[in-house]
Amino acid sequence: DAGVTQSPTHLIKTRGQQVTLRCSPKSGHDTVSWYQQALGQGPQFIFQYYEEEERQRGNFPDRFSGHQFPNYSSELNVNALLLGDSALYLCASSLKGNGETQYFGPGTRLLVL
Amino acid sequence: AQSVSQHNHHVILSEAASLELGCNYSYGGTVNLFWYVQYPGQHLQLLLKYFSGDPLVKGIKGFEAEFIKSKFSFNLRKPSVQWSDTAEYFCAVNPYTGRRALTFGSGTRLQVQP
Repeated sequence: DAGVTQSPTHLIKTRGQQVTLRCSPKSGHDTVSWYQQALGQGPQFIFQYYEEEERQRGNFPDRFSGHQFPNYSSELNVNALLLGDSALYLCASSLKGNGETQYFGPGTRLLVL
Repeated sequence: AQSVSQHNHHVILSEAASLELGCNYSYGGTVNLFWYVQYPGQHLQLLLKYFSGDPLVKGIKGFEAEFIKSKFSFNLRKPSVQWSDTAEYFCAVNPYTGRRALTFGSGTRLQVQP
């Protein structure tokens, strides 16, 4: 049973560039949430996708956008990168109605120079 | 807005010592409660969860947590830690209804010395 997978594992970008991160949910899950984890901090909620729509959003600017595909996989896009966007980006999947237990992927570590 | 506080940022214990990590949350309604663990080089893993029922919850690897509603607390405990328990531990909550995003605490780094 495949868990949550994310790609790429690491990424280096420069300020002003755009980045796309990808996530495949755990088999059988239909909901994907994205979190940002800065060094030494707990993960912070960015947004959640269900039925290909953004259902909830955290306190992140519009530079952060996402998409969910019919196969439930998801992308996180960040435009106009800032140095402060350097972090570990985590994807979590869950099954609506299952108590919302979220299972996390290994993350993508983004470094903005 | 809800928040989660983990007061112990870094804990150092010897093997066989008992562990208790504090977690307090602020939210007026019913919540689901979680403890996640992040071992070095690994991804976040679910340790245990509380949705309803018995406030004493048992998780994997001998961990347990007690939900005390009157204190808005969900402390994690283990009677005897092992070197392999060295990791970062995160407490998280989400509301029982409505928005289901997890709110995490800042984490507690546990270092177990052999």
